[in-house]
Amino acid sequence: DADVTQTPRNRITKTGKRIMLECSQTKGHDRMYWYRQDPGLGLQLIYYSFDVKDINKGEISDGYSVSRQAQAKFSLSLESAIPNQTALYFCATSRGTWTDNEQFFGPGTRLTVL
Amino acid sequence: AQKVTQAQTEISVVEKEDVTLDCVYETRDTTYYLFWYKQPPSGELVFLIRRNSFDEQNEISGRYSWNFQKSTSSFNFTITASQVVDSAVYFCALSGEHSGSARQLTFGSGTQLTVLP
Repeated sequence: DADVTQTPRNRITKTGKRIMLECSQTKGHDRMYWYRQDPGLGLQLIYYSFDVKDINKGEISDGYSVSRQAQAKFSLSLESAIPNQTALYFCATSRGTWTDNEQFFGPGTRLTVL
Repeated sequence: AQKVTQAQTEISVVEKEDVTLDCVYETRDTTYYLFWYKQPPSGELVFLIRRNSFDEQNEISGRYSWNFQKSTSSFNFTITASQVVDSAVYFCALSGEHSGSARQLTFGSGTQLTVLP
C-alpha cells in the first residue's frame, strides 16, 4: 500500500465550486505539505503543517485553505475554484528534523477548473 | 532568497547513451541540502537522492551518479547507459537552513528526459 495517498486522483469542476482535496499518510511523519505544479514549472508550496495545531502559509496560499484533521490527514480546499487553479496538486510528508528532511510525495491530484 | 536553475528544458537521447542533467543553485546559506526527484509519465514524484552542503563526495548508485561542486554551485546528475524507463521529468531542489520555518524546498523547473529505443 502507498504511504501517502491522495483523493481524488482526478477532478473536473466548474468555476465557483468548492473543492476539497484529501491527503492521508501512514509514514508517521509530523510534517505535511501541499504543493501545486503547473506545466513547465517546478512545485510551489501552498501550505504546510508541522503538527495538528501548527499550520502555515506557503508562497502561494491565496485562494486556498487547509485543515489538519489528525497527524495522518491534511486536506486542501479551494473555496471558490477559478480556472487558473487548474494544476497538478501534490501532498508530501517529512520527518520533523531538518537533518532528516527528504519529502515523500503522494501520487498527485489532477484538478481542472472549467 | 534561494533559486534552482535547470537550464535544460528537454533532452532526448538514444538508449544506452550517457546523459547528464544540470542543476545550478543559489543560496546565501552555508548549510543546505540538495535533492533530485524523478517524475515519470505516471506523475508521481520519486525521491532519488539528498546531499548536504558539507559532503562534496560524488555518489554512485547503479547507473545513477551525482557530482556536487560547491565551487560552481552545481549538483549534476548523470545516467549511464540510459534506458527507456529513465524517461521522466527530473527535478533538482534546494533546502537552506534559513529558507523559512518550513526549511522549504525550492524546486527547479525540471528537465524532461526522453530516452528513445
